Amino acid sequence: DAGVTQSPTHLIKTRGQQVTLRCSPKSGHDTVSWYQQALGQGPQFIFQYYEEEERQRGNFPDRFSGHQFPNYSSELNVNALLLGDSALYLCATKVGWGNTGELFFGEGSRLTVL
Amino acid sequence: KQEVTQIPAALSVPEGENLVLNCSFTDSAIYNLQWFRQDPGKGLTSLLLIQSSQREQTSGRLNASLDKSSGRSTLYIAASQPGDSATYLCAVQDQGGSEKLVFGKGMKLTVNP
Repeated sequence: DAGVTQSPTHLIKTRGQQVTLRCSPKSGHDTVSWYQQALGQGPQFIFQYYEEEERQRGNFPDRFSGHQFPNYSSELNVNALLLGDSALYLCATKVGWGNTGELFFGEGSRLTVL
Repeated sequence: KQEVTQIPAALSVPEGENLVLNCSFTDSAIYNLQWFRQDPGKGLTSLLLIQSSQREQTSGRLNASLDKSSGRSTLYIAASQPGDSATYLCAVQDQGGSEKLVFGKGMKLTVNP
């Protein structure tokens, strides 16, 4: 049973560029959330997708956008990269929405902005 | 605004000790609390999920308790091993329709052989 998979695992960008990160959910999961984890900090909620719609959003600027596809996979896009966007980006998935189910996380995508 | 605190930020112990990791949260109106483990540079591995109606959960050498009224949870690790070395994070899901988890900063555990 494949868990949550993310790609790429590492990437380096320069300020002002754009990046796309990808997530495939655990088998049977249909809700995808994205989190940003800066070094030495706990993850911060970016947004959540269910039925191809953004259902909830954290305190992140519009430069952060996302998408969910019919097969439940998801992308996170960040435009106009800033040095402060350097972080580990984590995808988390679960079954259904509006419940208290367990979240399962991927290994993350490490983004470095120079 | 929910805030989650984990103290201390780091702990170093000899192998074999029984450990208690603490987590506190400011708003007791939560759906659940989840404990995670994170190895360096890696993602999060779910250890235990406690629903708000539960008092504790157990998995192997791990036992987590939840006291909603006091805003506290503890993760108990029995007979610690070097392989338990990692950062442990707790997170809560608030009530009121929120789907997000609010995390603490984590506690880095080192178990020395």
